[in-house]
Amino acid sequence: ELKVEQNPLFLSMQEGKNYTIYCNYSTTSDRLYWYRQDPGKSLESLFVLLSNGAVKQEGRLMASLDTKARLSTLHITAAVHDLSATYFCAVGWSGGSNYKLTFGKGTLLTVNP
Amino acid sequence: ETGVTQTPRHLVMGMTNKKSLKCEQHLGHNAMYWYKQSAKKPLELMFVYNFKEQTENNSVPSRFSPECPNSSHLFLHLHTLQPEDSALYLCASSQDLLDSWQYFGPGTRLTVT
Repeated sequence: ELKVEQNPLFLSMQEGKNYTIYCNYSTTSDRLYWYRQDPGKSLESLFVLLSNGAVKQEGRLMASLDTKARLSTLHITAAVHDLSATYFCAVGWSGGSNYKLTFGKGTLLTVNP
Repeated sequence: ETGVTQTPRHLVMGMTNKKSLKCEQHLGHNAMYWYKQSAKKPLELMFVYNFKEQTENNSVPSRFSPECPNSSHLFLHLHTLQPEDSALYLCASSQDLLDSWQYFGPGTRLTVT
């Protein structure tokens, strides 16, 4: 069974600082997703990472994937208050007609002025 | 607005009731998904449909019955639910199954009494 561990689960940081959220997974996968969820709202897709060494950036967020280490990171640069949300990683694999996706527990990020 | 709508937004039902959740996407996507988000567990992918065909049932109890009459509509029929089924049910769609960005609806907040 695929297990996904995110850490930290809670992160409080000051505006302007940098930090990284980690997503470890237990077995081979062929894709990794990052999502954002604001309180009381639905999910928003952030990144899809499909290959070893993949790096994607959008604004102050950058995601990377190391399939050999079974690790993805979400790096936050010069945080601003608007980035406060819960961030989820999810690890997926597909085999034939099967498609599975396992989520981490989420990281609640609070950016303080 | 993501182009994915869900109705109703809130639903309270007794354990003996039968109700249905509806999802509609206006994006021309081929794949649709049902997710469950409950307070005490990580996000769970429940069902996946690709070109109207179900590709995965992630061990979901039979009291949840999905229906996908066409690529734009997805239903989740509910009957004899349990209080632990109370959760936020999210629908999503993507252009195709394997590589795509997912667009999420606002969710249906379900309470089973």
